[in-house]
Formats: sequence, structure tokens, C-alpha cells
Amino acid sequence: GAGVSQSPSNKVTEKGKDVELRCDPISGHTALYWYRQRLGQGLEFLIYFQGNSAPDKSGLPSDRFSAERTGESVSTLTIQRTQQEDSAVYLCASSPTGPGRTQYFGPGTRLLVL
Amino acid sequence: GDSVTQMEGPVTLSEEAFLTINCTYTATGYPSLFWYVQYPGEGLQLLLKATKADDKGSNKGFEATYRKETTSFHLEKGSVQVSDSAVYFCALSSANTGNQFYFGTGTSLTVIP
Repeated sequence: GAGVSQSPSNKVTEKGKDVELRCDPISGHTALYWYRQRLGQGLEFLIYFQGNSAPDKSGLPSDRFSAERTGESVSTLTIQRTQQEDSAVYLCASSPTGPGRTQYFGPGTRLLVL
Repeated sequence: GDSVTQMEGPVTLSEEAFLTINCTYTATGYPSLFWYVQYPGEGLQLLLKATKADDKGSNKGFEATYRKETTSFHLEKGSVQVSDSAVYFCALSSANTGNQFYFGTGTSLTVIP
């Protein structure tokens, strides 16, 4: 079946502009995760949605970052007033509920802030 | 809190060499353990996993055994190939933390012919 998809695949924006990144998880996956990966770095957790529970926002680096999820489907990550340090690949992953369930990653959105 | 500590890289090996990438974890419950791989220019994909103590995950010649007594999940391969060049991430997930995932910092492996 279809995997996790993300759009756009690449985004170039000017400093100070807002950007919106989209993630379509695998159908039926109740958990959805956003990560940031800077060039040559590991994964930085941003936010985690699990079903109808309140999201875990503990990884969001500043109040310029926010994310929403519509039910158990699409999620959008919004970065307001972008800064050059926001340049990174933003990865989305989804998984079914339950312990030991595998995360499936999307291809990522490569964001470049000029 | 739960965490994963992963061997620092980068690692450079000759083809057919033996590979070990160390991973240890800290968890309050009984986590599931994973190795993910990221090939150049690609997204992360699951390499193998183990969901309980003494389980061995294996895939593509790679193996890792869930060792509760040493809180480890070291990745091994007996004979690496150039095509194994990638970044490898150790991760855990625990029901105690709402199935949140915790990733290591990644280990870059380069295999030279």
C-alpha cells in the first residue's frame, strides 16, 4: 500500500516568511511524529500525535513552530517567521498503535531559508 | 527518562570486514528496540527490530540481540559491502512513554572497496 507521503519535497523561502509542511500518514496509523534533521546530524524530535490524546509538543524548539493533525489523517507543521537556522530536512513518520510497532518514515521536506 | 546512546562515528571499514555498532539504552519499562538505516539521499527505513529480551532481529545479513542484562542492542554484520555505506540509527519505543520513539545520534558507516 501507499507509504507516508510529504509535501513539498523541497521548499526555498526567504527569512521571515511562514511555511507549511504537510504529511499524509499511512491509512490506519494512529501515531504520527515530526522530526527535524539538520545536515549531517541525527534526528531531533519535534512533536508526536497519538490518536485523540493531547499531542506531545515537548520537542518544538520555539513558539514559531506549531503542528496540527486532523483526526488520524493528515498533519501540517507550520513554521512562522522562518530563520536561517530552520533550514533542515523535516521528516514525518507514522505507526500503528501499540508497543513494538514500527515507525514508517516519509521522504522528508528539505527546507532552505535564505 | 528513556534514552539511547549510540557509538560515535564515523566508521570506515574495508569490504568484507566485520562490523559492530554499539547501542545501549536506558528505559524504565520493557522497550522495543530498533535499528533504522538511512542510505545516502534517502529516507529512514527499518533495518531490524526486537520486542523482548533475548530476541534477535535480523535482516540483510545484519543482526542485533536484545540484551536486558547489559541494556544493549549492538548491530553486527559479518562481512560488510560497499552498498552498506549509510547512517545507522538505534531507537527504542516503550509503552511506558506512550510509544514515543527515542533515537540515537546515528553512526555513519563508509565501506571502501
